Amino acid sequence: DSGVTQTPKHLITATGQRVTLRCSPRSGDLSVYWYQQSLDQGLQFLIQYYNGEERAKGNILERFSAQQFPDLHSELNLSSLELGDSALYFCASSLTGTSAQGQYFGPGTRLTVT
Amino acid sequence: GIQVEQSPPDLILQEGANSTLRCNFSDSVNNLQWFHQNPWGQLINLFYIPSGTKQNGRLSATTVATERYSLLYISSSQTTDSGVYFCAVGVFYGGATNKLIFGTGTLLAVQP
Repeated sequence: DSGVTQTPKHLITATGQRVTLRCSPRSGDLSVYWYQQSLDQGLQFLIQYYNGEERAKGNILERFSAQQFPDLHSELNLSSLELGDSALYFCASSLTGTSAQGQYFGPGTRLTVT
Repeated sequence: GIQVEQSPPDLILQEGANSTLRCNFSDSVNNLQWFHQNPWGQLINLFYIPSGTKQNGRLSATTVATERYSLLYISSSQTTDSGVYFCAVGVFYGGATNKLIFGTGTLLAVQP
């Protein structure tokens, strides 16, 4: 158990809908990262937050957004969902913004868009 | 951008065998991690190893940063070792952040 929690574990929804994925980092970690794992793109970095502020963006679509709250949990919002958004979404956390000592991954949320 | 290549792409072992997985990266990195993704999809941290050698039970890893490669050794393999092994490297962005770039993984199947 990495100490990173994600909810829900599974999500099935229809095209055009909006969903919210939730992540709680390890105790004491200030930085949260979101990654997407799909069959065709592999594991890709989406976005990072550090102590409530956006720190870096990767290949994140404009339909997707995220935020980190004062208690350091983070939410990833996916809207106008398409079939291609079906993937495993991981949250990771690290102590610092520079991942000193590494990033620790949650169990993931499996999103299926039908 | 930085490229991360893993070899072999697939590996089938008999229980009890040893194996070596390799990760090559194309540029200097400040972070390197090995993960095991089990059949249920969970990504399990194996090693944080930007340089040097570490051991944890039947697993060990070595990173030679100057030559831009890392090796993961699995000894006396067990069926529970099956899954995908990922190497991921971390690069700084403006000195303030560090995203992980993942390789394509090695799919390991350990047969009883």
